[in-house]
This record gives sequence, C-alpha cells and structure tokens, in this order.
Amino acid sequence: EVQLVESGGGLVQPGGSLRLSCAASGFTFSSYSMNWVRQAPGKGLEWVSYISSSSSTIYYADSVKGRFTISRDNAKNSLYLQMNSLRDEDTAVYYCARDGWRYWGQGTLVTVSS
Amino acid sequence: QAVVTQEPSLTVSPGGTVTLTCGSSTGAVTSGHYPYWFQQKPGQAPRTLIYDTSNKHSWTPARFSGSLLGGKAALTLSGAQPEDEAEYYCLLSYSGAPWVFGGGTKLTVL
Repeated sequence: EVQLVESGGGLVQPGGSLRLSCAASGFTFSSYSMNWVRQAPGKGLEWVSYISSSSSTIYYADSVKGRFTISRDNAKNSLYLQMNSLRDEDTAVYYCARDGWRYWGQGTLVTVSS
Repeated sequence: QAVVTQEPSLTVSPGGTVTLTCGSSTGAVTSGHYPYWFQQKPGQAPRTLIYDTSNKHSWTPARFSGSLLGGKAALTLSGAQPEDEAEYYCLLSYSGAPWVFGGGTKLTVL
C-alpha cells in the first residue's frame, strides 16, 4: 500500500525556518518525481515545488522561489522542503504528492505567526 | 505564471447534470496541458478523479467524466448524488513551472 506521511509542521515566527519531511512507502520512491502542494486555511490548492526522481530537475512556484528548497533522499525514501524567511502568507497545510497525482499525504500544518 | 480559472461555485439538483470548467490565461486548454480534476471534502486530502483530460481511476464514480469543451477542460457530473457535494479543483501542466491549480469550484447538491 502506498503511503506518504508528512511531518515537521508547527508554529514558527515570521522570518523563521522550518523543514518538512515526507516519508514514502509502498512503492519504488527513487522512480518517481514528487511535488509539494499547500492549502492556506479556507483557500484553494497551490502547487509549491517539484523534484524529479534523480533531483536533476527542480521547479518552484514564484511565491516561494528563493526561500524554499526541495530535496530528496532516495536511500531514505524521503522528500523534504526547507522553508526559510517564512511569511504569514505561508501558513497552510502542506501536502506531498507523488507525480501523476494519484497519491497524496494527509498534510502537515505550518503556522507562521508572532 | 499562468492563471487557471474555475467557476467559484455551482449548484446542481440531486440526479441532475452539471459541468465544471477550467480555463487558462494563456489560451485554449489542450490535451497538452494534461488536465487533472480533484475532489476535496472538508478535512480531507484531495482525491484525483480525472487525469490526462478524460481518464478515470478505479475509484472514480462512472457519473464523472472529463473532456475538452470550448477551449477549456471540463468535468461533467451526470446524476449528482449528495455525496458529490465538495470542492473541485483542476490542475494544468505548463512548461517551466509545471503545475498550476485552478481556484476551485464549490459544488452544492441541493
């Protein structure tokens, strides 16, 4: 059974940093590109970042470019999102999703507030 | 980045038919945008209904179908059920910034 489990969310002050993780199981993680998607409270979905299976191709949404860094460790079946210079508007549930969009995690809540 | 537009809200009667659409600020939506449709209910992660314009997953109810219509991607629900009340999102692929979600359509079955 495919599982994606996010962790690392929490409360952080504006300007702070946080690192999200997504633990993958039930499939050959190293064969799939991955995405991060977020959803602010009461708002719609926003694609955040993409990383190819070998990490050779990476994309970011304009809203996070220069502040967020996506990475992965195929040996640990894990996806990461390093979030720096956090702003109030980064408050959201962050989901990891396997490319093809068939499988999603349940999300982890990031709250940026003083 | 491109802007993807959806109807903010729609209402359908039980047993009725409704079409949700998904447009692109860059022009007509084509199969090359690999349109996806997701259903999301409160407190849940999104669930994929349609991929690559019109393909269904094994869990997609037969009453949902995807197509291209008038330069937009479309999701048609035929024979709406109360459990179809949810938020629906489309997703389009673009070169350079590979994915853009629409703003979502809140579907009410009433």
